[in-house]
Amino acid sequence: GENVEQHPSTLSVQEGDSAVIKCTYSDSASNYFPWYKQELGKRPQLIIDIRSNVGEKKDQRIAVTLNKTAKHFSLHITETQPEDSAVYFCAASIITGNQFYFGTGTSLTVIP
Amino acid sequence: DSGVTQTPKHLITATGQRVTLRCSPRSGDLSVYWYQQSLDQGLQFLIQYYNGEERAKGNILERFSAQQFPDLHSELNLSSLELGDSALYFCASSVMPGADEQFFGPGTRLTVL
Repeated sequence: GENVEQHPSTLSVQEGDSAVIKCTYSDSASNYFPWYKQELGKRPQLIIDIRSNVGEKKDQRIAVTLNKTAKHFSLHITETQPEDSAVYFCAASIITGNQFYFGTGTSLTVIP
Repeated sequence: DSGVTQTPKHLITATGQRVTLRCSPRSGDLSVYWYQQSLDQGLQFLIQYYNGEERAKGNILERFSAQQFPDLHSELNLSSLELGDSALYFCASSVMPGADEQFFGPGTRLTVL
């Protein structure tokens, strides 16, 4: 089955700096890559996703890039704010498949 | 609010007991997923149902079982509970298996004493 690895496990940045979280996947058939944000004690919520027919997608301060050849995708957060502090999970799945494969999470702390 | 509901919100029980967690998916979603999240851990996939049928199994213990009913709500049954079963249990739903966004419920926090 699919194996998703996520790095780093913890990340601290100064407010206003950029943060980058990277994930790799093993199954070349995976074609959908969502990112979820989980604030402390709350449910995971989708913040951005990308399909394999697209190389990059942006939504305000958040962007995701996908390199299908290298089987890796990354989350980029620019101009970080304290409210960006949370755990971020990447995932990979096959559309029409049966499950998402989640990474182990990155705990992001934005220092004011 | 994602539209996915889970009950109860909190559950405290003793070792050896059995509990049932309930999940109602978003209106129109046919697929339900169960995840376990222990303290400072990631999301461990347990099991998935689609339109009443089991579609995928992850790291689900034999002491755990689940089902999805004709009205599409799902229940996760945990038996012979151990201290290590203490965790946050999330249910998520999606329209189709593996497709697009999974919407997570608020979770049930299980504490086994």
